[in-house]
Formats: sequence, C-alpha cells, structure tokens
Amino acid sequence: GQQLNQSPQSMFIQEGEDVSMNCTSSSIFNTWLWYKQDPGEGPVLLIALYKAGELTSNGRLTAQFGITRKDSFLNISASIPSDVGIYFCAAGGNSGGSNYKLTFGKGTLLTVNP
Amino acid sequence: EAQVTQNPRYLITVTGKKLTVTCSQNMNHEYMSWYRQDPGLGLRQIYYSMNVEVTDKGDVPEGYKVSRKEKRNFPLILESPSPNQTSLYFCASSLETPGYNEQFFGPGTRLTVL
Repeated sequence: GQQLNQSPQSMFIQEGEDVSMNCTSSSIFNTWLWYKQDPGEGPVLLIALYKAGELTSNGRLTAQFGITRKDSFLNISASIPSDVGIYFCAAGGNSGGSNYKLTFGKGTLLTVNP
Repeated sequence: EAQVTQNPRYLITVTGKKLTVTCSQNMNHEYMSWYRQDPGLGLRQIYYSMNVEVTDKGDVPEGYKVSRKEKRNFPLILESPSPNQTSLYFCASSLETPGYNEQFFGPGTRLTVL
C-alpha cells in the first residue's frame, strides 16, 4: 500500500518551545490530515487540509498542505504539557487509489518537559 | 453522546479460538473502518465499509473478516487468531469518505493471542 514518511519519530522538548513535524510521500494526495492520540485513547482529528498550498491554524497548531501535494507539516507553538501524545499524519484520495482509504504515517511521539 | 464504542476493551485468547470484536456508532455514519496499531508501524487499515452490505479490503486484511448488516454496527471477526494478530485495534466512523469528513475513533481494543 501507500506509505507516508513521518518525521521525527520522537521529540523531547521543554515547555514553551515550538515543535515542527512533517510527512512526505512519493504519491500525490488530495487530502492531508493531522491526528493526535492521547495515551490509552483513539486518535482525534486536529486539522484537515483540502487544497494544495493551504495553511490552516487551530489554536497553537498550524498545518500546511504542500504545494506538490506530496507533503504536509504541523507546527505547535509554545508547547504545554498536555501536548504530550502521538501525532499522526494521514492522507487520502491519492491518484492511484480512492477517497475511501486513509493512509497513516507511523507517528511522532512528543514528550514535553514541564 | 456521539461516540464509537468497542467491546471488549481488552482480550487475551489462544491461537485458533474464533473471536469477534464489536463496534457500534450512534452518529448515523455511512463509513466505518477497522485499523490495527503496532509499535513502529502506526495505524494500518484492515477493512472499511462505505455503507450497509458494502465492505472492502484495506492494507492488511489477511486473517480478518467483517460484516455490515446494519448501519451502526461493524464487527471484526478473527476466525482463527494467531500470535501475529496481537495488536491494538481501533474502529472508526465518519459521515462519508474519511478524507473529507472527520473520522471518529473508538477507544481501542487491546488483543493478545497466545
């Protein structure tokens, strides 16, 4: 199946620092999504991107849909302890597939030191 | 409360003993999906369903079966579980295609096959 390369795999930062993570693919996608998974729970959608070049914010989170449609990044500004968790990128609607399947990255484990 | 429920939350079983993990959503969503989450591999889609009686394989369908006889329920069936199916399983649903509609995840089912 399709693969998304998500980096970094893990990050250990101090409270107040900014964070950046990204996802790349060799395939073109029509939708990029960012999810967060808290310990012991299922993933929750943070931001959805539907147009190449689109930049969208949700509070301290900002994500962009790459202009080539093959990548996306997520930034978190002024991190706080509750930002701890696993962040997943996901993409759908690629040229070789359908809109009914989502492909997920392997996740970025974020640890915030108070 | 709008939610996706899964049962059981935890299950330890033995190789070859058939089991079913139930999934139910109360949001009248058309699309439902099963994922497995393994360390270092992220979320991988097992099966999905676009509507009642319409199901299709995801990226890792081997060893699993699903059915969609009612809109709200999407059980995952392991006819003859094997140790390599030990994993954390998530059911998810969305109004329509997950690339363009927020996908809601259940709390997860942790399965151990001995």
